[in-house]
Amino acid sequence: GDSVTQMEGPVTLSEEAFLTINCTYTATGYPSLFWYVQYPGEGLQLLLKATKADDKGSNKGFEATYRKETTSFHLEKGSVQVSDSAVYFCALTSNQFYFGTGTSLTVIP
Amino acid sequence: DTEVTQTPKHLVMGMTNKKSLKCEQHMGHRAMYWYKQKAKKPPELMFVYSYEKLSINESVPSRFSPECPNSSLLNLHLHALQPEDSALYLCASSRIGTIQETQYFGPGTRLLVL
Repeated sequence: GDSVTQMEGPVTLSEEAFLTINCTYTATGYPSLFWYVQYPGEGLQLLLKATKADDKGSNKGFEATYRKETTSFHLEKGSVQVSDSAVYFCALTSNQFYFGTGTSLTVIP
Repeated sequence: DTEVTQTPKHLVMGMTNKKSLKCEQHMGHRAMYWYKQKAKKPPELMFVYSYEKLSINESVPSRFSPECPNSSLLNLHLHALQPEDSALYLCASSRIGTIQETQYFGPGTRLLVL
């Protein structure tokens, strides 16, 4: 069946460090891919999305590229801030909406 | 405007109480969803309404009863809950009634069952 696999957390980085959170997927057909962010005590916010191969989603300095050849959608940011501390969920839709397990990010000053 | 609102923000209830969670969106979306999220876990789908009709029920116990009075509103009626039902309940909506569409989430209702 379809699924999403995210790198295990928690991840702790210093401010201005480079961030990568790995996400790979298994799906039949042509899924859409998403990154959602959940700040402490809040609901999920759509961070970015890509709907077809080679699309790049970007928002607030975060980027992810839909790579069909490696079935990946890794999240990157060049310089993280303390305010980026949150849990990040990779997700895909095909016949259903599938979430990864989430990766907790803490950015320290 | 991609806002989904949920009330109340927090709810504490006893196991014999009856309460309701409310969700509202004014984006013209025709699909609405209820999710349950336990701490440090991803959201788990409970129900999907598509064009105001229940289209998916993920084997949720009958103590949870969804209702979609119109295309903008979604309720979740709670009765005789158990302590293990304590969680964050998230509502989401999407443009059309297919689950492949981008889902927009509300801030959630944090429920504690005593």
